[in-house]
Amino acid sequence: DAKTTQPNSMESNEEEPVHLPCNHSTISGTDYIHWYRQLPSQGPEYVIHGLTSNVNNRMASLAIAEDRKSSTLILHRATLRDAAVYYCILSLQGAQKLVFGQGTRLTINP
Amino acid sequence: DGGITQSPKYLFRKEGQNVTLSCEQNLNHDAMYWYRQDPGQGLRLIYYSQIVNDFQKGDIAEGYSVSREKKESFPLTVTSAQKNPTAFYLCASSLATTLSNYGYTFGSGTRLTVV
Repeated sequence: DAKTTQPNSMESNEEEPVHLPCNHSTISGTDYIHWYRQLPSQGPEYVIHGLTSNVNNRMASLAIAEDRKSSTLILHRATLRDAAVYYCILSLQGAQKLVFGQGTRLTINP
Repeated sequence: DGGITQSPKYLFRKEGQNVTLSCEQNLNHDAMYWYRQDPGQGLRLIYYSQIVNDFQKGDIAEGYSVSREKKESFPLTVTSAQKNPTAFYLCASSLATTLSNYGYTFGSGTRLTVV
């Protein structure tokens, strides 16, 4: 399975933007990039996904590098409720399952 | 509202007993999945099913069993053969059996403690 690399942890302040990086240098042309987040003691929830172009939704933005070897999840204005573990996952063409790594634990300071 | 329901939220069992975790979805999703999560760790796949009456082993299937008699339901049995069953168990479903442009919807999890 194609692998992603994320920092173990990041810290930011409330009401500031947060940029969560993800490296996926072995990505192939048909692999989608998915982001999920997991709040304490809850199941993960979908955040955003994309293939080549940058994507925006009500929760976040996804910036994908031109060579697709990296991507960045952007939270435009962090709140305390955004404190969670964020997982960057590649969804491979024809894949029947998602493989979760360790993710990035995001701490938001008031 | 559509979603996935896992029950119970907390479960305590004595060592050596089998226990079954429930997972029900009303999203009309074809594929369903069971993951295990240990403290501070990521999710590991136990079993998954893409169609009724069929399922495949994931990365850590030993000591677990599943059934898929109905599209809506995918119960997981933790057997006495599972050496370290205490964990947080997560059920998920997906509209498509090959994911690519589709993702998962997760339940809220069952925390199993074996004493």
